[in-house]
Amino acid sequence: GDSVTQMEGPVTLSEEAFLTINCTYTATGYPSLFWYVQYPGEGLQLLLKATKADDKGSNKGFEATYRKETTSFHLEKGSVQVSDSAVYFCALSERGATNKLIFGTGTLLAVQP
Amino acid sequence: DGGITQSPKYLFRKEGQNVTLSCEQNLNHDAMYWYRQDPGQGLRLIYYSQIVNDFQKGDIAEGYSVSREKKESFPLTVTSAQKNPTAFYLCASSGFSVGSTDEQFFGPGTRLTVL
Repeated sequence: GDSVTQMEGPVTLSEEAFLTINCTYTATGYPSLFWYVQYPGEGLQLLLKATKADDKGSNKGFEATYRKETTSFHLEKGSVQVSDSAVYFCALSERGATNKLIFGTGTLLAVQP
Repeated sequence: DGGITQSPKYLFRKEGQNVTLSCEQNLNHDAMYWYRQDPGQGLRLIYYSQIVNDFQKGDIAEGYSVSREKKESFPLTVTSAQKNPTAFYLCASSGFSVGSTDEQFFGPGTRLTVL
């Protein structure tokens, strides 16, 4: 079945460092791809999404490009802040009748001042 | 403001008790979902509903039950048959339509602890 694999954390960075969180997927069709962010004790918030190959999602300085040839959707940010500290989840949406999401295991990001 | 509310925020259950977690949305979304989150793990789908009076089992439905009597409400009951219910429970909704890719919107979650 469809699946998502993302790099294990925690990822610890200094403020203003460059961030990359890797995400690869396995899917039989052409899924939509998402990055969600979860702050401590809260629910998930959509960070960005891409619905087809070569689409770039972006929001709040974060970017990710849908790469069909490498089945990847890596999250990047040029300069992280302490406020970016959170757990980041990569997910894909099964196309078809259910609109179900399949999540990766999450990557904890800790940004130090 | 439109959104999803879950209550209670924290819930404690004794062994052998059933408990019900509330989820309400005012986004006029057709589809609603329940996920379970355990430490260091991703989200696992318990149940989902695409329309009122209809719902389907997700990947880990054993020991749980749901109802969908109203479009805006999708309560989850954790029964005594669920052997390890301590977890963080998240409800979500989406503006489902066949072939669409609408993102899911999440509530703030309920943390359930078995005493």
